[in-house]
Amino acid sequence: GQNIDQPTEMTATEGAIVQINCTYQTSGFNGLFWYQQHAGEAPTFLSYNVLDGLEEKGRFSSFLSRSKGYSYLLLKELQMKDSASYLCAVRDGDYKLSFGAGTTVTVRA
Amino acid sequence: IAGITQAPTSQILAAGRRMTLRCTQDMRHNAMYWYRQDLGLGLRLIHYSNTAGTTGKGEVPDGYSVSRANTDDFPLTLASAVPSQTSVYFCASSDSSPSDTQYFGPGTRLTVL
Repeated sequence: GQNIDQPTEMTATEGAIVQINCTYQTSGFNGLFWYQQHAGEAPTFLSYNVLDGLEEKGRFSSFLSRSKGYSYLLLKELQMKDSASYLCAVRDGDYKLSFGAGTTVTVRA
Repeated sequence: IAGITQAPTSQILAAGRRMTLRCTQDMRHNAMYWYRQDLGLGLRLIHYSNTAGTTGKGEVPDGYSVSRANTDDFPLTLASAVPSQTSVYFCASSDSSPSDTQYFGPGTRLTVL
């Protein structure tokens, strides 16, 4: 089976930066995804990393180190609407996507 | 707006009853997936289909069946529902980009009593 770990909850202040870490152990590796999920809604795609390094997309950045089995999602200039659950997902050698349990981020004014 | 639709939005079902959750996409994606999401466990793959006419088992397939008669539709059937199948069910499909990103439907909240 796959093992994907991320913190359960994080709290930050509006305008601040939050970093959500994800560590994984999978059978093969074919990419790592981050999804955002607001309460009661569907997950929506945020980012994709397949090579080591940083991918930047506006206020959100995602980093990958394949040798360490590690990724993080960086949320900058936090807004109230960023309060959501953030899901780390790894695609394994069989091209199946396995998800972590998610990190609930609460942004406070 | 193109995307994935699921029906019903929510359902309360008596144990032992048969139930089919519907999923339709209009993006002409080849691959489709069914997940269940339970508190503290994250999304878990039930069944998948890489292309019309083929299906495969995911991490938690027991008690569920699927069919893929055409590209657009991917129904999930619970032959005899049990309380442990109470969950939120998400259908997803993936595009043909290099990242093969999965896009999710709005979900069906199922309660089995």
